[in-house]
Amino acid sequence: KNEVEQSPQNLTAQEGEFITINCSYSVGISALHWLQQHPGGGIVSLFMLSSGKKKHGRLIATINIQEKHSSLHITASHPRDSAVYICAVSVNNAGNMLTFGGGTRLMVKP
Amino acid sequence: NAGVTQTPKFRILKIGQSMTLQCTQDMNHNYMYWYRQDPGMGLKLIYYSVGAGITDKGEVPNGYNVSRSTTEDFPLRLELAAPSQTSVYFCASSPQGGYGYTFGSGTRLTVV
Repeated sequence: KNEVEQSPQNLTAQEGEFITINCSYSVGISALHWLQQHPGGGIVSLFMLSSGKKKHGRLIATINIQEKHSSLHITASHPRDSAVYICAVSVNNAGNMLTFGGGTRLMVKP
Repeated sequence: NAGVTQTPKFRILKIGQSMTLQCTQDMNHNYMYWYRQDPGMGLKLIYYSVGAGITDKGEVPNGYNVSRSTTEDFPLRLELAAPSQTSVYFCASSPQGGYGYTFGSGTRLTVV
């Protein structure tokens, strides 16, 4: 069993829909990261969080430490949001090295 | 700021050849990392460094070597390339606290 599991693996939405991507992890962590990767492109850090909730534009990330679960929400989705979204965790006592989930491939149709 | 710069972007190697993937960051980050991303798989840590002169193995270090002579540079060396090293390689850096993790644009390597 992977230490970081994401769901769903693939997601197709219509423009304007509210989107939720989930991440569960099985180890103690110091922080959780949400990353975005466009096709053939580099990786961009969206959020780093260790508790509560963060918001940036139409993106919202939440984390529940007790339940070992995080969600990434996209409000009013747009075709330019189409990308792979990756959850990654900094495991306790492992410095800043990240352990990654398998990613969620999101396609937003106009 | 350029952030994290990786070169080359693409490379095809023959089995047994060697090459160095270059990585430079201009954010004065102490921590630097090399990850590889295989199709359909999550990224895996190859090597990391917590500062100049200090490097350590990650999850998949076999077939690779690194050095960190300066804060800015963290090259990854492939000796005797094998088809199993066909992957996309990402260099990344972060400050000690981890906030501001920055990735390079990746190097797509094919070994034939």
